[in-house]
Amino acid sequence: QVQLQESGPRLVKPSETLSLTCAVSRYSISSGYYWAWIRQPPGKGLEWIASMYHSGATYNNPSLKSRATISVDTSKNQFSLKLSSVTAADTAVYYCARVAGSGYMDVWGKGTAVTVSS
Amino acid sequence: EIVLTQSPGTLSLSPGERATLSCRASQSVSSSYLAWYQQKPGQAPRLLIYGASSRATGIPDRFSGSGSGTDFTLTINRLEPEDFAVYYCQQHGSSSLSWTFGQGTKVEIK
Repeated sequence: QVQLQESGPRLVKPSETLSLTCAVSRYSISSGYYWAWIRQPPGKGLEWIASMYHSGATYNNPSLKSRATISVDTSKNQFSLKLSSVTAADTAVYYCARVAGSGYMDVWGKGTAVTVSS
Repeated sequence: EIVLTQSPGTLSLSPGERATLSCRASQSVSSSYLAWYQQKPGQAPRLLIYGASSRATGIPDRFSGSGSGTDFTLTINRLEPEDFAVYYCQQHGSSSLSWTFGQGTKVEIK
């Protein structure tokens, strides 16, 4: 069964760059699917951040004004998110997910909570 | 950008009752690209329905999805105690290459 696991700093200072990694096990990223990052601020709903195809094409949520960068490291079978110039509004639980061709997210990581604070 | 509006915000029901959740899109959505998720406190979302009406692996048949165009529905027949949770609809824009979620509907015990 495919498993995804997020990792990264739990606390990030305002104006700095948030960096997270999603390790994928029991499936090779380069074999197919899209891969995505989604976040959920405390007490709020889900927000799509960015996705990438296994071939490397990337897609970003325009509401984040190009602050998000998604990338893949096939040698480590993981993909990453960098979110620049963070503010308190970026405080959230960040999830990584596998995305099927029809756009649904069929496998999710457990999520990692990130707080932006000085 | 397609906006998904879910209603009601909160649904108060008793175990054994039927829940009907609505997801309305600001413009037409291909049924192939409409999904529903369940989220319990402290957990990641879980895929329930994809392609508007296909149940994901392991999802009980009391969950069903329907709809087309701009109006989609998730129905939960005979609510079980474990079904009380928040439900989200989500669409994928194959031409815009974007993903959006509805704001969620909370199904709570009455």
